[in-house]
Amino acid sequence: DIVMTQSPDSLAVSLGERATINCKSSQTVLYSSNNKEYLAWYQQKPGQPPKLLIYWASTRESGVPDRFSGSGSGTDFTLTISSLQAEDVAVYFCQQYYTTSYTFGQGTKLEIK
Amino acid sequence: QVQLQQSGPGLVKPSQTLSLTCVISGDSVSSNSAAWNWIRQSPSRGLEWLGRTYYRSRWYNDYAESVKSRITINADTSKNQFSLQLNSVTPEDTAVYYCARAPELNWFDPWGQGSLVTVSS
Repeated sequence: DIVMTQSPDSLAVSLGERATINCKSSQTVLYSSNNKEYLAWYQQKPGQPPKLLIYWASTRESGVPDRFSGSGSGTDFTLTISSLQAEDVAVYFCQQYYTTSYTFGQGTKLEIK
Repeated sequence: QVQLQQSGPGLVKPSQTLSLTCVISGDSVSSNSAAWNWIRQSPSRGLEWLGRTYYRSRWYNDYAESVKSRITINADTSKNQFSLQLNSVTPEDTAVYYCARAPELNWFDPWGQGSLVTVSS
């Protein structure tokens, strides 16, 4: 299975500041035939299921605020929140769908400083 | 929009079978452009994909190696729903279980509301 490792495990950022979460895969998730990165990002708030934010590593899901952005390629990816809002407090997960045996990162807990 | 509604018992005894159902609205379980998945989440194992069913001229199932010998996922086209059965459960199977749609076998969206299943005597 592809192992997804996120860093840091937790992060405290001041309101209005930038938050950056990293995700590293144990092997590439780039499918060369279509040049797409098979990586998604989710946000999970307490008591709720994960919510899709980003797919194809950088495509924002409809309705997701544009302060959320995804970047990266190959094995290294980043989720950036450009200006942290109070409602962004949550746990964030990356997930690869390159192989059928889908795997997730362990999660990064984002809090307000 | 697509919505998923889960149901099933919250408490299962060790060695018995865990059964959950996910009712689909806004899409069809027989869709040729989606797969229907079960995922669980626990503090010890994090988010763990368990398996999926999907229809592409015939039905396909894929299961995670970790549960392959114990899991069955079925689709019921008459009720537009799919189900999870996990046999011979142990306390390690205690988790919040989610159903989720995967468009074109890719990411997961949307998710069901989640079902906490506790394995305990």
